[in-house]
Order: sequence, then structure tokens, then C-alpha cells
Amino acid sequence: QKEVEQDPGPLSVPEGAIVSLNCTYSNSAFQYFMWYRQYSRKGPELLMYTYSSGNKEDGRFTAQVDKSSKYISLFIRDSQPSDSATYLCAMKTTGGFKTIFGAGTRLFVKA
Amino acid sequence: ETGVTQTPRHLVMGMTNKKSLKCEQHLGHNAMYWYKQSAKKPLELMFVYSLEERVENNSVPSRFSPECPNSSHLFLHLHTLQPEDSALYLCASSQESQALYGYTFGSGTRLTVV
Repeated sequence: QKEVEQDPGPLSVPEGAIVSLNCTYSNSAFQYFMWYRQYSRKGPELLMYTYSSGNKEDGRFTAQVDKSSKYISLFIRDSQPSDSATYLCAMKTTGGFKTIFGAGTRLFVKA
Repeated sequence: ETGVTQTPRHLVMGMTNKKSLKCEQHLGHNAMYWYKQSAKKPLELMFVYSLEERVENNSVPSRFSPECPNSSHLFLHLHTLQPEDSALYLCASSQESQALYGYTFGSGTRLTVV
């Protein structure tokens, strides 16, 4: 079993839709959770960062962590064509150098 | 220049060549990293440097050799690579070596081994 599972998609939605991106994980020791956005021919860019459980909102983006279910989500409201990218979840424990990434979900937002 | 800069953006090399990838960060961060990104696979951590000292070598073959001459510069020296080494190589930096608050990535070097 992979430590982090993420549906590769592609996920195609119309402009203005609410997008839900998800990851599940197996290591209950993960405490730090991140979402990165990667445009084609670019490196990943940190979008959201959450420590432990709960919600965090930043503009149109909301990150949720449910540690009891080992499940994290990223919601994008009022999606725009410029949101078309690959979204990577990432997580790590306290201590050590390794961040574990999901393989990414490809999102297309159609105008 | 701001952020993390990687050169070259693209590199094609034969299996007997020697080449180097370069990374420079302008953020005043204390840690730098090399990651490998292959199609449809998660990012793989290769090397971690904290304050110019290598603190992690994630079972990477010796044909990859990192160098960190100072806290702003990182190199990845390549020699006798294999076709399966073709991938996007990403440099990243963070404020501290555990990267608890995430990374700043460069745009990567797209490497093709022929």
C-alpha cells in the first residue's frame, strides 16, 4: 500500500464549478499537510499548508484535514481556467527530512 | 532574480556524458534539496543539504553526485546515466531542513538520457 494515494484524474469541470481534490494516507504520524499546484513546464508552487486537523481557508481555496479518516481535501470555489494544473498533496511527520507526495491530480477547468 | 532558479531548463545527454545541473536560491533559506519527478509518479527526494552540509542521501545511485558550495547554490553532477534517469529534476529550498512549512521549487531541468 502506498503511503499517500491520490487519484490522477484527469478531472474536467466547467468554469465556476466547485472542485474537490482528495488524498488518503496510511501513516497516522503525519502532522503537516500541504497542497501544491504545478503548471505545465513549471515546478510545484505551495498553495496551502495545514498543521494537524481542521480547515484552512485562503481566498477561493479551502484545505481540510480529517486525521481520524486519514483523508485530506482541497476545495476550489468559483474555479477558473487559470486553475487548470496538476495538484499535488504532500505530508510529513514531525522530525526527519522526508515529505511524502501524492502523484498529483490533473485538473482542467473549461471556459 | 527572485525565488529558485535552475539551469539548464532542458538537457539531452548520452549515457557516457558528464553534465551538471545548477540551482540558485535568492530567498535566504538554510536548506536545499534535489527531487526527481517522473511521469505519473510522486516526487522522489534525492538529497538534502542544511547549511551546506549533506544531511540526507536517499539511496541515490552514485552516478548522481551533489555539491553545495554555499547556502545559495546547489549542483547535481551527472555521469554515465541510464535512460531510466530521464525525468524532471527539481531543486527546492526551505527555511529549515525539515521543511515543515513547505518548499519553494525551481522550474526544473527536463533531462533526457539517450
